[in-house]
Amino acid sequence: GAGVSQTPSNKVTEKGKYVELRCDPISGHTALYWYRQSLGQGPEFLIYFQGTGAADDSGLPNDRFFAVRPEGSVSTLKIQRTERGDSAVYLCASSLMGPPVEQFFGPGTRLTVL
Amino acid sequence: RKEVEQDPGPFNVPEGATVAFNCTYSNSASQSFFWYRQDCRKEPKLLMSVYSSGNEDGRFTAQLNRASQYISLLIRDSKLSDSATYLCVVTQTGANNLFFGTGTRLTVIP
Repeated sequence: GAGVSQTPSNKVTEKGKYVELRCDPISGHTALYWYRQSLGQGPEFLIYFQGTGAADDSGLPNDRFFAVRPEGSVSTLKIQRTERGDSAVYLCASSLMGPPVEQFFGPGTRLTVL
Repeated sequence: RKEVEQDPGPFNVPEGATVAFNCTYSNSASQSFFWYRQDCRKEPKLLMSVYSSGNEDGRFTAQLNRASQYISLLIRDSKLSDSATYLCVVTQTGANNLFFGTGTRLTVIP
């Protein structure tokens, strides 16, 4: 079946702009995660949804970052007033239930802030 | 201190060689352990889970030493297709996310 999909695959924006990154998890997966991966680093946790609610947003770096999952399926990661330091690959993952079961990752959105 | 530490490499080995990667984790409450593989510009994919008794999957063997908080991955008879970054991953009791190491880059040379 279809895996996790993310759009756009690449996003170039200017400093100070607002961006939205979309994640479509595997059908039936109740848990959804956002991670951020900088060059030469492993993915770093941002936020975890169980159903519609953000069960853990402890990884969000500051209040410019926000994510929603209104119907318990598709999720959108929103970044306000983007900064050059926000440039990274944003990865979404989903799993059938909450941790610590296997997480399946999407291909990521490569965000570049000029 | 990072939750998971790995030697970033790179490791360049000839085809057919045996190569081992090591990883240490800082939190003794770590619960589950995995090796993920990530190809260049692709997403991480689960390679194998790591069990206390050690486990093998074909040419790949994973070991866990809870006392030393140390995980290893051994690849025998390396293939060109094994070239990738190998990420050491742990979960912690009470935490919802995966903790990733920086990854170890392997290049298998013909």
